[in-house]
Amino acid sequence: KAGVTQTPRYLIKTRGQQVTLSCSPISGHRSVSWYQQTPGQGLQFLFEYFSETQRNKGNFPGRFSGRQFSNSRSEMNVSTLELGDSALYLCASSLTSSGSPYNEQFFGPGTRLTVL
Amino acid sequence: LAKTTQPISMDSYEGQEVNITCSHNNIATNDYITWYQQFPSQGPRFIIQGYKTKVTNEVASLFIPADRKSSTLSLPRVSLSDTAVYYCLVGEKDSNYQLIWGAGTKLIIKP
Repeated sequence: KAGVTQTPRYLIKTRGQQVTLSCSPISGHRSVSWYQQTPGQGLQFLFEYFSETQRNKGNFPGRFSGRQFSNSRSEMNVSTLELGDSALYLCASSLTSSGSPYNEQFFGPGTRLTVL
Repeated sequence: LAKTTQPISMDSYEGQEVNITCSHNNIATNDYITWYQQFPSQGPRFIIQGYKTKVTNEVASLFIPADRKSSTLSLPRVSLSDTAVYYCLVGEKDSNYQLIWGAGTKLIIKP
């Protein structure tokens, strides 16, 4: 069974631009969560989707948004990029309906975003 | 949500058993203890989960005392490839509470 895939793996953008990241969960997994990881802040939860609905959201500004498609694939978008958005963006999928990492979550390799 | 406290870093040597302890004094009745492992530039990987006493799988053991206010992840006979960050999470299964990941424990295995 293929794991969680994320595209692209690396991305370089400039301030003010926008970016869209993609995540394909493990087949059969309907819950997809997004995280931002930086050396200073660690792993921070962005949002979680289940059956195309956002069920949970972290404390990030509205510039960060996401969506989930009927095939459970998910995208996250960051508009008006800032230098501080440089991070590893991780996607995780879960078989259970809760989408909680207290149940086993399967993480993708991440997208490394650099904002110049 | 139960807050967890782990050592920031630990060193050990190949072939040794490594024990990482996590404190969670305000763990709730329905909370489970979950450990993830993360290698550099990769997403975390689920290692083990438990509720009480002892849980063992092919990669690790998890020891939980009766009061459940702490837990210990045990890695038998570590190798260099076990160098990673280990996260301890405590929370209720199936909860939709926003998760807060701590800094984890950076484990460095030396030859």
